[in-house]
Amino acid sequence: AQSVTQPDIHITVSEGASLELRCNYSYGATPYLFWYVQSPGQGLQLLLKYFSGDTLVQGIKGFEAEFKRSQSSFNLRKPSVHWSDAAEYFCAVDPLTGGGNKLTFGTGTQLKVEL
Amino acid sequence: DAGVIQSPRHEVTEMGQEVTLRCKPISGHNSLFWYRQTMMRGLELLIYFNNNVPIDDSGMPEDRFSAKMPNASFSTLKIQPSEPRDSAVYFCASSPGQGWDNEQFFGPGTRLTVL
Repeated sequence: AQSVTQPDIHITVSEGASLELRCNYSYGATPYLFWYVQSPGQGLQLLLKYFSGDTLVQGIKGFEAEFKRSQSSFNLRKPSVHWSDAAEYFCAVDPLTGGGNKLTFGTGTQLKVEL
Repeated sequence: DAGVIQSPRHEVTEMGQEVTLRCKPISGHNSLFWYRQTMMRGLELLIYFNNNVPIDDSGMPEDRFSAKMPNASFSTLKIQPSEPRDSAVYFCASSPGQGWDNEQFFGPGTRLTVL
């Protein structure tokens, strides 16, 4: 079945430490891939997206993600986490069926940052 | 730019009552999306419009839900009659176009509680 999986429900890191959030997808063809962030009480904000080309994608707020076709993964990384990065992070895919823009979201990873 | 505007931000109602959620997309955006977020099911796409026309409503849970977009600057999501299981945060998002490369901009959401 087609799906997008975020295996980690909660992650806690210390401020200044590196971060990696995992995302795996299961689709017949490589979908378009996105990472969104949701701060408490807010809507979602796009961090970065991947369609094709360079497999290392740079986004806003110092985030990057690497697409690995062999692993069907699109993990989000940040070299040094700031306390303001505490939020929920969603991986999303557009499976390219029908029209564009039909996103399917993972269940999210809640990030806690310890000072 | 005011971003996507949703009203009300919070709604508490009793089972059986009609609920209407409102959304004003970003000016100039041609696509509008309604999502529902719950702990159990995560973030789900309910329906999306392009140029005020519903394109895909396969995510609408049942006939109690209906959505309209009478013009480019306004959309409603109506639940009639409401049930406790409809309690969720409902997000509206808009994007400049229908293509996969168009970022979706999310509103702050409406938190609905049905007693």
